[in-house]
Amino acid sequence: GAVVSQHPSRVICKSGTSVKIECRSLDFQATTMFWYRQFPKQSLMLMATSNEGSKATYEQGVEKDKFLINHASLTLSTLTVTSAHPEDSSFYICSATDSGGAQETQYFGPGTRLLVL
Amino acid sequence: GDSVTQMEGPVTLSEEAFLTINCTYTATGYPSLFWYVQYPGEGLQLLLKATKADDKGSNKGFEATYRKETTSFHLEKGSVQVSDSAVYFCALRAGRRALTFGSGTRLQVQP
Repeated sequence: GAVVSQHPSRVICKSGTSVKIECRSLDFQATTMFWYRQFPKQSLMLMATSNEGSKATYEQGVEKDKFLINHASLTLSTLTVTSAHPEDSSFYICSATDSGGAQETQYFGPGTRLLVL
Repeated sequence: GDSVTQMEGPVTLSEEAFLTINCTYTATGYPSLFWYVQYPGEGLQLLLKATKADDKGSNKGFEATYRKETTSFHLEKGSVQVSDSAVYFCALRAGRRALTFGSGTRLQVQP
């Protein structure tokens, strides 16, 4: 099946630094990728929709200047957490839909666990 | 807006017991319905899906039927195994929008 990778899988950083998370579709092209955030023992909350070649669409309450999304190619989207603070510590998950497929199935990356000290 | 409600966990069962995890949804139009599973330390995996009313999704012994009249998509398995211990998420997707997830239900199967 389709594979989505995320890098890094785990990152620990100091408060005030910026962290970039990559999401790649390995064997398909993804016009659209989604970024979710998952708090411990809670569900996934959609943060933004990333469209190749255009600006991301952010959900209400998500600061676009805090969570920068770039979708520069059909196989790569990046999420940059700028000036990270401890409250940004979370599990970040991306997903992608196959541009050439039926658009029904989203393939999820394994997630990136961010810990801000 | 779209929403998914699933039963609170954790659900604790003995091996070979029957499993039901309830899921109901609210959506405009005719969404596709999904169950995802998240094993400890891993990412989400699609377990099964149904795209229209009365469709039954099935995989690895799990089943769920898209019930439009009750707006439900309950997950069932006749005989659970210890290896089924995980968090199960019900989700819907309308058109090409992102998935809307339920809160997740943790299943613990004891030997």
